[in-house]
Amino acid sequence: LAKTTQPISMDSYEGQEVNITCSHNNIATNDYITWYQQFPSQGPRFIIQGYKTKVTNEVASLFIPADRKSSTLSLPRVSLSDTAVYYCLVGASIYKLIFGSGTRLLVRP
Amino acid sequence: GAGVSQTPSNKVTEKGKYVELRCDPISGHTALYWYRQSLGQGPEFLIYFQGTGAADDSGLPNDRFFAVRPEGSVSTLKIQRTERGDSAVYLCASSGGQGVTDTQYFGPGTRLTVL
Repeated sequence: LAKTTQPISMDSYEGQEVNITCSHNNIATNDYITWYQQFPSQGPRFIIQGYKTKVTNEVASLFIPADRKSSTLSLPRVSLSDTAVYYCLVGASIYKLIFGSGTRLLVRP
Repeated sequence: GAGVSQTPSNKVTEKGKYVELRCDPISGHTALYWYRQSLGQGPEFLIYFQGTGAADDSGLPNDRFFAVRPEGSVSTLKIQRTERGDSAVYLCASSGGQGVTDTQYFGPGTRLTVL
């Protein structure tokens, strides 16, 4: 499975847009890119998934360039409640999710 | 509807004891997963069930760990002769089990502490 690299931590302020970039240089043709969010004392929660170009839902946008070697999770106008750990996952398996250490996002007032 | 539930939420045991952790998946979900999460790390895959059978148990660390899902719904993760290194949060997830982009829904986890 493709290894992912993402920043250990990020700081932001309420109302700002946050972009978290994930590198996955060895992504395979069949691999999808999935992002999960995890709050303290809770299990991870699915945010968004994509294969190429751009995907948008009510929570976030996912930007994937043509070479698919990286992806960017975009959170518009973050609030304090967006403080969490964000995981970038890459793989073709729908059942064996491989999590890295994630990015700890802190949103300040 | 109800999400994935796990019991107990916390379990403290002594080294060498046997523990059972229970997972109630979302009703109708055919696939069930167990993960283990150590402090500061992402979840680590343990085992995956499709229906009653374990489709992939490659993540179980050793033969002290065993999981069952006898009726294709509730699952129990069993740990024998617990060790201090088993201390972690054990997460359960379930999914519809179909489609390339199947989404896993996680429970809140059971925090296991081995003294």
